[in-house]
Amino acid sequence: QVQLQESGPGLVKPSQTLSLTCTVSGGSISSGGYYWSWIRQHPGKGLEWIGYIYYSGSTYYNPSLKSRVTISVDTSKNQFSLKLSSVTAADTAVYYCARDRRFGEISNWFDPWGQGTLVTVSS
Amino acid sequence: NFMLTQPHSVSESPGKTVTISCTRSSGSIASNYVQWYQQRPGSSPTTVIYGDNQRPSGVPDRFSGSIDSSSNSASLTISGLKTEDEADYYCQSYDSSNVVFGGGTKLTVL
Repeated sequence: QVQLQESGPGLVKPSQTLSLTCTVSGGSISSGGYYWSWIRQHPGKGLEWIGYIYYSGSTYYNPSLKSRVTISVDTSKNQFSLKLSSVTAADTAVYYCARDRRFGEISNWFDPWGQGTLVTVSS
Repeated sequence: NFMLTQPHSVSESPGKTVTISCTRSSGSIASNYVQWYQQRPGSSPTTVIYGDNQRPSGVPDRFSGSIDSSSNSASLTISGLKTEDEADYYCQSYDSSNVVFGGGTKLTVL
């Protein structure tokens, strides 16, 4: 079965760029049929979708984060990545990657999720 | 874009039935499927309902989902409550390529 694992620095300084990678095992990103998403959760708060990517490199971002977000894919490593620039303390959160399953253009759902990684923005 | 509004918290006794609502602020609830995720403390979310009312394999039939166009809302109903159902529950939907989550509901089983 497909499993996802986030990796990256747990501490990032303000104004720098947060970089995380999600490694997919048990299935191939390049086989198509799924999108791949990043979602975050501020401490003690709800879920916030960041954006998604298709294996072809097509992306779509949350409009509220769009100016700072870049999601990319490396099919040779079966990984996709998140970069969030100009971070502040407000970007401190647990970051999850997830497989994004589609009902055509009607809806989507996330399954499975990675275990999540806490990223703290602090000097 | 639209918002999904959930009650902040609900509580019920073991063995009872609880329903958690998720109200869409604009546009029809029936236009885009609604999903429900369970998140236990310290764990990642897992899907309990997708496509308004479909249960992934492994999710007990005590969990059910529905939508009500008259109130423009979706509901997650959990019957025969168990202490292990105590968790945060999030609804989620989609519109014009944007993903929307509800704010989450803390279910306490006491």
